[in-house]
Amino acid sequence: KQEVTQIPAALSVPEGENLVLNCSFTDSAIYNLQWFRQDPGKGLTSLLLIQSSQREQTSGRLNASLDKSSGRSTLYIAASQPGDSATYLCAVVDDYKLSFGAGTTVTVRA
Amino acid sequence: SQTIHQWPATLVQPVGSPLSLECTVEGTSNPNLYWYRQAAGRGLQLLFYSVGIGQISSEVPQNLSASRPQDRQFILSSKKLLLSDSGFYLCAWRRGTGGNSPLHFGNGTRLTVT
Repeated sequence: KQEVTQIPAALSVPEGENLVLNCSFTDSAIYNLQWFRQDPGKGLTSLLLIQSSQREQTSGRLNASLDKSSGRSTLYIAASQPGDSATYLCAVVDDYKLSFGAGTTVTVRA
Repeated sequence: SQTIHQWPATLVQPVGSPLSLECTVEGTSNPNLYWYRQAAGRGLQLLFYSVGIGQISSEVPQNLSASRPQDRQFILSSKKLLLSDSGFYLCAWRRGTGGNSPLHFGNGTRLTVT
């Protein structure tokens, strides 16, 4: 059974600092990995999807890397802003099913 | 463009009452559909998924059930709610073309069982 871990559970940084969020998974036989953002009381918003054949994916200030062999993905958010405060979740895709980590809650202090 | 609708947004129900949550997707055909539950302070738990009309896979045995009466409609039900059914229920969809399409979520239903 796939297990997904996100460490740390919470992170607080001053505005302008770069954010580094970690995701690890136990089974490297994945189709892809997806990063999401969740604001309090809201659904999940897709940020980036990295296919298993890719090593990284970029969108604006966001960059996600994937190392299947070591079972790790990292989400980098450059020059953080207070609006980046949210919970970030990663999910690994195994055919039809996705397994989620518990998330990292980020607070960006103005 | 594709959109996903989920309702109601919030629901307060007494123990033992029935439940029906509905989710519909627009702008695509034959999507894979999912029901997740997010308990307070915990990760997302996959409850059911469906790859086609009438095809339901259950991940966690419990007093909930799901149905897919139409291609883009997914319903989560219970005959008698338990206190432990409280949580945030999320419907999601992705293209039915295998593993390389992103998952998209609805806005969720906050269920409180009293």
